[in-house]
Amino acid sequence: DVKVTQSSRYLVKRTGEKVFLECVQDMDHENMFWYRQDPGLGLRLIYFSYDVKMKEKGDIPEGYSVSREKKERFSLILESASTNQTSMYLCACTYSSNTEAFFGQGTRLTVV
Amino acid sequence: GENVEQHPSTLSVQEGDSAVIKCTYSDSASNYFPWYKQELGKRPQLIIDIRSNVGEKKDQRIAVTLNKTAKHFSLHITETQPEDSAVYFCAPYNTGGFKTIFGAGTRLFVKA
Repeated sequence: DVKVTQSSRYLVKRTGEKVFLECVQDMDHENMFWYRQDPGLGLRLIYFSYDVKMKEKGDIPEGYSVSREKKERFSLILESASTNQTSMYLCACTYSSNTEAFFGQGTRLTVV
Repeated sequence: GENVEQHPSTLSVQEGDSAVIKCTYSDSASNYFPWYKQELGKRPQLIIDIRSNVGEKKDQRIAVTLNKTAKHFSLHITETQPEDSAVYFCAPYNTGGFKTIFGAGTRLFVKA
């Protein structure tokens, strides 16, 4: 079984803080994704990466950046957290382009 | 960009009835059509998928049908049970952007 682990289940941060969300997968999958999930809006893609040191913007990249220094790890960075970034963040990975996505357990981030 | 729409957004059925959720997409080159189920407080998980060379696929009480000409695919759940209550997402693969775009989700309630 693919295991995708996010570093925190719950986080509370202050406005203006720099926030790091970490995601690690153990199955050597090529592609990794960061989504945010908000009620009524489904899963919206923030950034994705198809290789080490490669990154692509998703549909809502503003206010976020990412880092993929190793194949198994994909980090989401909120440069200066704002209250409108309060959300559930989900990391996912896929073996190749059009295959099943495996998700982490999610990080519920609250920015106060 | 890719447009993905799911209907209905909420569906309530009586236990034992059937449920159908439809997903419409815009990328005519999409070739992978999965459905994910997310139970309350849990991560999304793949329940069934279909590729573009097949029109229908069944797995016990669930099935997926694909109409490539009309650019939609549907999830069918027969003999619904309370444990089918969850949010369901379609996620057609976007060949142009090499990314997976999720629909907004359908919340299914199965009343005992």
